[in-house]
Amino acid sequence: GQQVMQIPQYQHVQEGEDFTTYCNSSTTLSNIQWYKQRPGGHPVFLIQLVKSGEVKKQKRLTFQFGEAKKNSSLHITATQTTDVGTYFCAGLWGAQKLVFGQGTRLTINP
Amino acid sequence: DVKVTQSSRYLVKRTGEKVFLECVQDMDHENMFWYRQDPGLGLRLIYFSYDVKMKEKGDIPEGYSVSREKKERFSLILESASTNQTSMYLCASSFPRLAGGYENTGELFFGEGSRLTVL
Repeated sequence: GQQVMQIPQYQHVQEGEDFTTYCNSSTTLSNIQWYKQRPGGHPVFLIQLVKSGEVKKQKRLTFQFGEAKKNSSLHITATQTTDVGTYFCAGLWGAQKLVFGQGTRLTINP
Repeated sequence: DVKVTQSSRYLVKRTGEKVFLECVQDMDHENMFWYRQDPGLGLRLIYFSYDVKMKEKGDIPEGYSVSREKKERFSLILESASTNQTSMYLCASSFPRLAGGYENTGELFFGEGSRLTVL
């Protein structure tokens, strides 16, 4: 079945350092979504990427979708303690069914 | 704001018991989903429904069933709970990706989760 591989599983950084998480699919995606789950919370939608090569920014967060629509990344510049949580990508094949990556848990040393 | 409400935050059940997890959304979303979340495995799709009385198996449907009699309510049923079903269960809802000629984001709105422990 469809799978999305996400790495790394864990990342610990010093506050102010950058952070990147990567997602890869073996097949072409319709689109990819990113979610953030704070500790003890539920996943919350961040963004959706649809077009090949698309790059979107939300303040310190930069999201990219690969040219072949098989990979994506989330980069956070100058992390802050509020960035702590688990970041999930979710790939869409066809119309309705999202498949989530394993998530990257980000912890930050203040 | 969209609200997805799961009936129980914490449940403790015994092996072999029948378990019902209820989910209600108030945004008239067509799509509803049940995921389970386990450390290192991310969110895995159990079942989803894109309309009343319609259901589709996800990636791990074994040991589960679902019911959608009304648009706003999607229930997950464990007919005979087992210890390997101890997990966090997350319900979500969304508009369909293509609806009424418009392409919606299809973003998922999640409930707070139900942590089930099976002893």
